[in-house]
Amino acid sequence: EDKVVQSPLSLVVHEGDTVTLNCSYEVTNFRSLLWYKQEKKAPTFLFMLTSSGIEKKSGRLSSILDKKELFSILNITATQTGDSAVYLCAVHSGAGSYQLTFGKGTKLSVIP
Amino acid sequence: GAGVSQSPRYKVTKRGQDVALRCDPISGHVSLYWYRQALGQGPEFLTYFNYEAQQDKSGLPNDRFSAERPEGSISTLTIQRTEQRDSAMYRCASSHYTGLRSYEQYFGPGTRLTVT
Repeated sequence: EDKVVQSPLSLVVHEGDTVTLNCSYEVTNFRSLLWYKQEKKAPTFLFMLTSSGIEKKSGRLSSILDKKELFSILNITATQTGDSAVYLCAVHSGAGSYQLTFGKGTKLSVIP
Repeated sequence: GAGVSQSPRYKVTKRGQDVALRCDPISGHVSLYWYRQALGQGPEFLTYFNYEAQQDKSGLPNDRFSAERPEGSISTLTIQRTEQRDSAMYRCASSHYTGLRSYEQYFGPGTRLTVT
């Protein structure tokens, strides 16, 4: 059974801090790993990673994948209160299906 | 542009009743996914469609759950004879692509189902 584990489960930081969120996975036939940000409503897509060692970057957010060690990290620099959310990691695996297996998420709280 | 919409946003029903949850995907998106999300958990896959064809229903928990997308646009997830354990947030997502980029799924706000 595919498994996605995120750590930490929750994190409280001050504005301006840099945070690193972790996602490890055990899946058969890995295809891609995705990060989502979930605030009060729907998860919003952040990144999709398919290749090891290639950093994806969007503003203060960046992510990288290590397919040998089976993990990914999501970095947020100079955090702001608007970064407070649950960050979900999901993995696509297997052939013939496009379902995603999600981790439980990391709840990030950024305090002023 | 309009995102994925779902209705109703909240549904309270008595045990044993049937419910129908609706998803209206982003216009032009060919793939549509249903997920269930319990509190404090990530979304759990239920089923997905490419156009009107149901491609994978392996995540549906039992035969009380069914989904359709007859015209390749709006989808309905139906739960028959609801039970309290069905209470959860039901999320719909859509994607423009059927290939690799189908993993870029855009989620709706969800329907919070409570079975009393």
